[in-house]
Amino acid sequence: EPEVTQTPSHQVTQMGQEVILRCVPISNHLYFYWYRQILGQKVEFLVSFYNNEISEKSEIFDDQFSVERPDGSNFTLKIRSTKLEDSAMYFCARPRLAGTNEQFFGPGTRLTVL
Amino acid sequence: KNQVEQSPQSLIILEGKNCTLQCNYTVSPFSNLRWYKQDTGRGPVSLTIMTFSENTKSNGRYTATLDADTKQSSLHITASQLSDSASYICVVSHSYSGAGSYQLTFGKGTKLSVIP
Repeated sequence: EPEVTQTPSHQVTQMGQEVILRCVPISNHLYFYWYRQILGQKVEFLVSFYNNEISEKSEIFDDQFSVERPDGSNFTLKIRSTKLEDSAMYFCARPRLAGTNEQFFGPGTRLTVL
Repeated sequence: KNQVEQSPQSLIILEGKNCTLQCNYTVSPFSNLRWYKQDTGRGPVSLTIMTFSENTKSNGRYTATLDADTKQSSLHITASQLSDSASYICVVSHSYSGAGSYQLTFGKGTKLSVIP
């Protein structure tokens, strides 16, 4: 099964700084998703990305967040001016198989905002 | 509001025993229901995925059931192993637009601990 890789595995940043989280799908998928999981809480949907555009976003995904596919393969989640409450695991996901809506999750990036 | 509720919140069982985890949902329009296993600090891994018309689906020692009328699902684990210790998350998918797009609503999970 082609994997999804995420970098970095752990990011520590100061409050107010910008962070960029990266996701690399091995295979070519038009759909891509970002999720957040605050420690001890449930996984929450952030945004879906289809064909280089945002398809759907949750109320969590405010102006502080942005997603891009800067080089045609990597997907990035940018958080501007991080807050303490942004500390969480951030997962990207892709469709597990083309034509299905089952998702394959990456290993996650743990973001710690100090 | 789309919601997924799971019970129990946590569960401790002896190795070799069976257990059943519950999931109730209010998601519309319903597309499918999945059970994921999440080890601490890792991404969720899919165990089963069930559509509206499926009542039961098995994956090794894992058996999921779905009652679309009552909007309930269960995950039964048989002959538990120490490696089954993890959070088990019920996730319901609902379609929100065309072109195959959909969104997932996650439950809080049941934290299962299997002890020797």
